[in-house]
Amino acid sequence: SAVISQKPSRDICQRGTSLTIQCQVDSQVTMMFWYRQQPGQSLTLIATANQGSEATYESGFVIDKFPISRPNLTFSTLTVSNMSPEDSSIYLCSVVPAGVEQFFGPGTRLTVL
Amino acid sequence: AQTVTQSQPEMSVQEAETVTLSCTYDTSENNYYLFWYKQPPSRQMILVIRQEAYKQQNATENRFSVNFQKAAKSFSLKISDSQLGDTAMYFCAFMKHVAGGTSYGKLTFGQGTILTVHP
Repeated sequence: SAVISQKPSRDICQRGTSLTIQCQVDSQVTMMFWYRQQPGQSLTLIATANQGSEATYESGFVIDKFPISRPNLTFSTLTVSNMSPEDSSIYLCSVVPAGVEQFFGPGTRLTVL
Repeated sequence: AQTVTQSQPEMSVQEAETVTLSCTYDTSENNYYLFWYKQPPSRQMILVIRQEAYKQQNATENRFSVNFQKAAKSFSLKISDSQLGDTAMYFCAFMKHVAGGTSYGKLTFGQGTILTVHP
């Protein structure tokens, strides 16, 4: 299993600003994933972050809007840039420490005014 | 691409009774995994149960069991002896098996079913 923490747990931001979300894992993992969960909706994968390489983005998500860093095997950040109210969502990171089971962080609830 | 469909937006059940949540999926893959995740109001995603497509035997975890019908591409979750703590949003999810590939671990989720357990 894996214990994952995210910071901040929630934030309220003004449109046009940026927010960086941190994800910390208690063990080394090769891949980390970032998901978005819009209000009342399901989870959608934003990107996959491998240590030492560029993140791989899913269709509909671009690096300029959601830049990701992965400086080591236990940490990643997701930045939501130039925010608009449509970016109001829960953002979750997840990892697969071994096997196929995916473990999720507690999420960051973002509200953009 | 894979799609996952949960046709029941909301379900309710009385405490101690049994409830079944439905999930269907569409894929051209032969090797894959299916999962049920629970998301209580705390937002924490919790893995409930998983099924490997190559296994014919249905997975069981205590009060939770699945009915996996590969040919019909159906993967329902049965919760027996429902408890108040089972109240949550339940997501069905699909992951294709790609050994060593960068897509390994990518989950495709259904829309979710809100389950309410009444005392």
